[in-house]
Amino acid sequence: AQSVTQLGSHVSVSEGALVLLRCNYSSSVPPYLFWYVQYPNQGLQLLLKYTTGATLVKGINGFEAEFKKSETSFHLTKPSAHMSDAAEYFCAVSGISGGYNKLIFGAGTRLAVHP
Amino acid sequence: DAGVTQSPTHLIKTRGQQVTLRCSPKSGHDTVSWYQQALGQGPQFIFQYYEEEERQRGNFPDRFSGHQFPNYSSELNVNALLLGDSALYLCASSLFLTGYLNTEAFFGQGTRLTVV
Repeated sequence: AQSVTQLGSHVSVSEGALVLLRCNYSSSVPPYLFWYVQYPNQGLQLLLKYTTGATLVKGINGFEAEFKKSETSFHLTKPSAHMSDAAEYFCAVSGISGGYNKLIFGAGTRLAVHP
Repeated sequence: DAGVTQSPTHLIKTRGQQVTLRCSPKSGHDTVSWYQQALGQGPQFIFQYYEEEERQRGNFPDRFSGHQFPNYSSELNVNALLLGDSALYLCASSLFLTGYLNTEAFFGQGTRLTVV
């Protein structure tokens, strides 16, 4: 079974400050991990993903995340927040089951950026 | 490339009615998955279609059914609507690779269903 826990349903930062959104996962198979962003009234857009290889992955809009197997974590960071980063962020885990995969999402973290 | 398109964008139905939502996958994709996103929650997997067959199913009742057509487009049907079915329904498409994880899933804008 797989699951995702996102710590903190709401995070508020100042423009220019570090963004840190926390994600812990549980998986009985080697995990594939994703971060998606959702702007109001829109679908999900992939920020970055970890499949295999390098544990520090870089995504779009200056975001990056590090896969730490020992901590079962995949936290999302951005050195300097922009007002345009305000959105809902979802961490997801996936793994092959019978040859087919599905995404298991966390509950989401709403990021607010204030001037 | 139009990406994943869903229709309609918004829908209002009455309890007990039936609804059909539609999804056209991104060009080149052959696998369609459906997710339900209740207000304030993360998306929940409903089911996945590949080669016109349901391949995986989440923890949803049989009132939720689907179909995939030869052109890879898909429909989600919900019968006997309940107030709790009010949600954003997201369609995601990907390319199935034998023996390996599907490629990245692209999501549509979603259909906002309100049951009154």
